[in-house]
Amino acid sequence: DAKTTQPPSMDCAEGRAANLPCNHSTISGNEYVYWYRQIHSQGPQYIIHGLKNNETNEMASLIITEDRKSSTLILPHATLRDTAVYYCIVRAAKAAGNKLTFGGGTRVLVKP
Amino acid sequence: DTAVSQTPKYLVTQMGNDKSIKCEQNLGHDTMYWYKQDSKKFLKIMFSYNNKELIINETVPNRFSPKSPDKAHLNLHINSLELGDSAVYFCASSQVGQGPYEQYFGPGTRLTVT
Repeated sequence: DAKTTQPPSMDCAEGRAANLPCNHSTISGNEYVYWYRQIHSQGPQYIIHGLKNNETNEMASLIITEDRKSSTLILPHATLRDTAVYYCIVRAAKAAGNKLTFGGGTRVLVKP
Repeated sequence: DTAVSQTPKYLVTQMGNDKSIKCEQNLGHDTMYWYKQDSKKFLKIMFSYNNKELIINETVPNRFSPKSPDKAHLNLHINSLELGDSAVYFCASSQVGQGPYEQYFGPGTRLTVT
């Protein structure tokens, strides 16, 4: 699985958009970009995933650059409940054992 | 309805004891996992089971033995507990097939070995 690089932490104002970057310069053609988050003391929660195209769901938007070497998770209107550690993971759809390899993630603090 | 449930939520025990953590999923998924999150907050895969068959064992000591009685359950039994086993253990499940299916995680079991 390709390695990802994320900033260790970032602050965001409540009600504003939060843009979380992720670098994955060694991504392969068959690897997807996944985002999960972990709110304090809870299990990780799936947010969104994408291959090439930008994706949007009820939680967030995922913007993937044309060369696929980086992506941005966008929380359109951050709330205090979005305070969490956000993990960017790159993995093939049928990776061996289907395991997720978590890095350090980005600790996002949403401030009032 | 809880999708992935674990019991117990907290487990405090002494070194040398044997303990089990149970996991159940009601999502109809065919693959289940155990992850460990240590004190430094790194999440690491331990085991992966697909249709009750072991797929991944990520260099986990033999003291850890997962057991999958059916597709909806994956229990983790730990023998001769050590201080270093203290961590939060998360169970997860997913469907594995042609698509890049997401994993659903349980609430975690915080194990403290004294």
